[in-house]
Amino acid sequence: DAGVIQSPRHEVTEMGQEVTLRCKPISGHDYLFWYRQTMMRGLELLIYFNNNVPIDDSGMPEDRFSAKMPNASFSTLKIQPSEPRDSAVYFCASSPSSGRLHQETQYFGPGTRLLVL
Amino acid sequence: AQSVTQLGSHVSVSEGALVLLRCNYSSSVPPYLFWYVQYPNQGLQLLLKYTTGATLVKGINGFEAEFKKSETSFHLTKPSAHMSDAAEYFCAVSESNFGNEKLTFGTGTRLTIIP
Repeated sequence: DAGVIQSPRHEVTEMGQEVTLRCKPISGHDYLFWYRQTMMRGLELLIYFNNNVPIDDSGMPEDRFSAKMPNASFSTLKIQPSEPRDSAVYFCASSPSSGRLHQETQYFGPGTRLLVL
Repeated sequence: AQSVTQLGSHVSVSEGALVLLRCNYSSSVPPYLFWYVQYPNQGLQLLLKYTTGATLVKGINGFEAEFKKSETSFHLTKPSAHMSDAAEYFCAVSESNFGNEKLTFGTGTRLTIIP
């Protein structure tokens, strides 16, 4: 398997622009997670899905952030409008479903490095 | 809610020396504990995890960790450091009760290997 795929790998944009990050989870995995990593705040869970349904979005910073999972093989994280403080590395991860999410390994993608000027 | 504390944001050891990265957790129920490693410009990957059973867990690349309930610890060790071990290491905890199944990560420890 190719692993979790994220695109783009790098994104530079100007404040106020819309940014869309994309993720393809590992085939057969039922859980998908979006994380944000910064020096100041470390690794934060933004939202996660189970079978394409958002389960917990309590980590989404504000209404400027939205995430969708239209099907089992694709998810997007959108920031509109973007701000300089959104600059971070955004990771997507997926996990198989065994009914025991707390025990499962999460498989991370390579991340998208976002810089908002 | 569960939490994890990693003591030491930066650790340096000489090549061939013992690696010890510390992790303490807080959990109201029996925890599930993980160590992930992040190499430069890459995503995280699992080193090892404790779910149930044997408290000494062996992982990839010669790493191991021991779950000590009395000390609420899950320290990561490797007998002999290699240059390729230079990376950032994250301890994480989850619980089986509803609402806390997701992983909570520590702030990470950056390991530097001195030649």
